[in-house]
Amino acid sequence: EVQVVESGGGVVRPGGSLRLSCAASGFTFDNYAMTWIRQAPGKGLEWVSGINWNGGSTGYADSVKGRFTISRENAKNSLYLQMHSLRAEDTALYYCARIRGPHYYGSADYWGQGTLVTVSS
Amino acid sequence: DIQMTQSPSTLSASVGDRVTITCRASQTISTWLAWYQHKPGKAPSLLIYKASSLESGVPSRFSGSGSGTEFTLTISSLQPDDFATYYCQHYNGDPWTFGQGTKVEIK
Repeated sequence: EVQVVESGGGVVRPGGSLRLSCAASGFTFDNYAMTWIRQAPGKGLEWVSGINWNGGSTGYADSVKGRFTISRENAKNSLYLQMHSLRAEDTALYYCARIRGPHYYGSADYWGQGTLVTVSS
Repeated sequence: DIQMTQSPSTLSASVGDRVTITCRASQTISTWLAWYQHKPGKAPSLLIYKASSLESGVPSRFSGSGSGTEFTLTISSLQPDDFATYYCQHYNGDPWTFGQGTKVEIK
């Protein structure tokens, strides 16, 4: 069974840092691109970042470019999102999702339950 | 960036109704479009990819159509399990963008 499970969320002060992790199982991880998508309270879905199958190509939303870094460790079936200079508007439920294919231009076919990030003083 | 505009924002319908949701892209995206269903407290689920391809395991009452800038999601006969929020999303290059969502409510 395909599963992706996020962890690492929590409460952080503005300007702080946090690292999210996503553990994947049930599929050949290095055959697929991966992505992070978030949902702020009461808002819709917002794409955050994507990474291709080998980490050689990445993309970011303008709202996080220069502050967030996506990476993956295929040997550990894991995806990461390093977040710096966090702002109140980064408060959201962060979803990890698998993309249908090796390149991060694609639809997200399996999603985790999300990990909550709250940026507050 | 490509903007995705969904209509309507909210839709009230009854079980058995035929429901259509529209998504418009600010520039052509070929058929690089997906539709998702999202229920409160649950992870979103993929319904349609490449504008009209039904994801495995998704009931056949869901269908997608369109290309270029105009797309539709149709539910042929609304079921109790279908009351949810639906999002379109383009993947014609980054950044991906989602529509603002269409909430399907019980009439």
